[in-house]
Amino acid sequence: RKEVEQDPGPFNVPEGATVAFNCTYSNSASQSFFWYRQDCRKEPKLLMSVYSSGNEDGRFTAQLNRASQYISLLIRDSKLSDSATYLCVVSVGGGSEKLVFGKGTKLTVNP
Amino acid sequence: NAGVMQNPRHLVRRRGQEARLRCSPMKGHSHVYWYRQLPEEGLKFMVYLQKENIIDESGMPKERFSAEFPKEGPSILRIQQVVRGDSAAYFCASSPGSYYNEQFFGPGTRLTVL
Repeated sequence: RKEVEQDPGPFNVPEGATVAFNCTYSNSASQSFFWYRQDCRKEPKLLMSVYSSGNEDGRFTAQLNRASQYISLLIRDSKLSDSATYLCVVSVGGGSEKLVFGKGTKLTVNP
Repeated sequence: NAGVMQNPRHLVRRRGQEARLRCSPMKGHSHVYWYRQLPEEGLKFMVYLQKENIIDESGMPKERFSAEFPKEGPSILRIQQVVRGDSAAYFCASSPGSYYNEQFFGPGTRLTVL
């Protein structure tokens, strides 16, 4: 089983649509959770950290369910500029802060 | 505040040559991480360093790869005797070491081995 698994995608949605990405992780000791976005051939950029209480940043809402080892990202009113690959990322911590990345889900927002 | 800097951005080497990739963390960050992204693959952790110390090298190939983060100067990822399979994008990230461990990535070095 992969450490971090994401919807394989790709997702193609019209502008203004709401789109949800799901992710599961296998290591129950994981301590930190993030969503990054990566544009084609560019570096990953931190979109948001994910907290147990859930958090929202503008059009983006992230949820974490530790019991189910499940993370989600919701994008409302999607824009053309949201087109990118969305990476679910987990860190075990405990002395090594390495990030474990999912393979990503590609999103294309169409006009 | 300048972000994470990496150079060179593109590096071409012939099989058997050495590749040196440099990374300067964000100002105030003392933790450096290296990741590799093979074509059409996700990012994979390689090594985690703090100044003058390797903290976790569990993702480093056993041979030909080494990394350092000296007291002065950038972090260096060194690949000796490169092979075609080393062709990839190498990303460096840094963090201040805060509890939430948010890591910020540099633009990457794209290594092509001919």
